[in-house]
Amino acid sequence: QSVMTQPPSASGTPGQKVTISCSGSRSNIGSNYVYWYQQFPGTAPKVLISRSNQRPSGVPERFSGSKSGSSASLAISGLRSEDEADYYCAAWDDSLSGWVFGGGTHLTVL
Amino acid sequence: EVQMLASGGGLAQPGGSLRLSCAASGFTFSNYAMTWVRQAPGKGLEWVATLSSGGGDTYYADSAKGRFTISRDNSRNTLFLKMDNLRADDTATYFCAKHDQFVVTYGLDVWGQGTTVAVS
Repeated sequence: QSVMTQPPSASGTPGQKVTISCSGSRSNIGSNYVYWYQQFPGTAPKVLISRSNQRPSGVPERFSGSKSGSSASLAISGLRSEDEADYYCAAWDDSLSGWVFGGGTHLTVL
Repeated sequence: EVQMLASGGGLAQPGGSLRLSCAASGFTFSNYAMTWVRQAPGKGLEWVATLSSGGGDTYYADSAKGRFTISRDNSRNTLFLKMDNLRADDTATYFCAKHDQFVVTYGLDVWGQGTTVAVS
């Protein structure tokens, strides 16, 4: 059971907007930045969103992140088939003195 | 180009040891905190250990405490993970990753390709 909760799956059709949620607590999301990672099978994760809402260089504007209280969200607009992947949220947890990851959300593009 | 190349994985017996290495290049290694994250087959990402930029502060997941040791050699731009008393549930791909700051509470921005550990 992950400290931060994500839906195990999400789906959408090409062109749609999909939102993936990440629910934590005051000690992680409530106190620290949230990071979002995209992972394709057999490859290393890649950062999509850093410091809760910043897009690293090279990440399309279709990807955006937000945070409110102890929850965070990743939004993907203009969904494309190549967005089909696993998505993870992560944050430092002050109580655990360590990093915590959400359980991951598999995004299917129908 | 920032790169991390992990190595040292392989097959180990329960109770055995392995030392993973992560060779970094393309950035000033000594300026950044570093972390190991693992992923068991078909499972999600699990944080293992984090080390401050200078090597003085270490942080471990409960699953790693007392068995794993994270360290770094800033003169060789290399991160290590010594794993002792290995168990079957340590079987996973181990990724090294660079933080985007020297501060450990800032997240991971570049990941290595991973090295696979099988305990059987």
